[in-house]
Amino acid sequence: EAGVVQSPRYKIIEKKQPVAFWCNPISGHNTLYWYLQNLGQGPELLIRYENEEAVDDSQLPKDRFSAERLKGVDSTLKIQPAELGDSAVYLCASSLFVGDTQYFGPGTRLTVL
Amino acid sequence: DAKTTQPPSMDCAEGRAANLPCNHSTISGNEYVYWYRQIHSQGPQYIIHGLKNNETNEMASLIITEDRKSSTLILPHATLRDTAVYYCIVRLFAWGSQGNLIFGKGTKLSVKP
Repeated sequence: EAGVVQSPRYKIIEKKQPVAFWCNPISGHNTLYWYLQNLGQGPELLIRYENEEAVDDSQLPKDRFSAERLKGVDSTLKIQPAELGDSAVYLCASSLFVGDTQYFGPGTRLTVL
Repeated sequence: DAKTTQPPSMDCAEGRAANLPCNHSTISGNEYVYWYRQIHSQGPQYIIHGLKNNETNEMASLIITEDRKSSTLILPHATLRDTAVYYCIVRLFAWGSQGNLIFGKGTKLSVKP
């Protein structure tokens, strides 16, 4: 069975440009998570979806970050405009239901110049 | 969620058992101990979890003390591919519970030839 798929794996942009990351969770998993991982740190939750609904987005910087999960499957995380401090790895994870074991994708490494 | 304490780094000889400790003295009765690892440039990988009994799977064994205040992850025959950062996390595991994963800095395990 395929795991969590993310694309792109790497992205380099100039500051003030927009960027988007895509995630396809494990088939049948209702809960989807986006995490941010800075260099040398553990991942930190940005947003959690239960089906199409964003039920925990308290850590998402809403002035420049947005996310959507149309039809309760794939999800997109967007940053507009990107800042130098947004350089990090963006991880997507999914679980069968909220509270179940989470499985992570490979992540997207963003570099903002 | 309870906080965990792990040594920042450990070394292990290839072929020997790697024993990674974790302290979680404030764990509550309905919280599980989870272990993930993150190999360089990859997303976190789920290893194992347990409540109070010792657990074993194809990747590792988890030994939890009787008072549940600490645990040890055991990789029975470490290989070079086990070099990674290992995260010990305490969280709720139940239908509908939020049980967010809160990552610390983990233990950097270096397996040496």
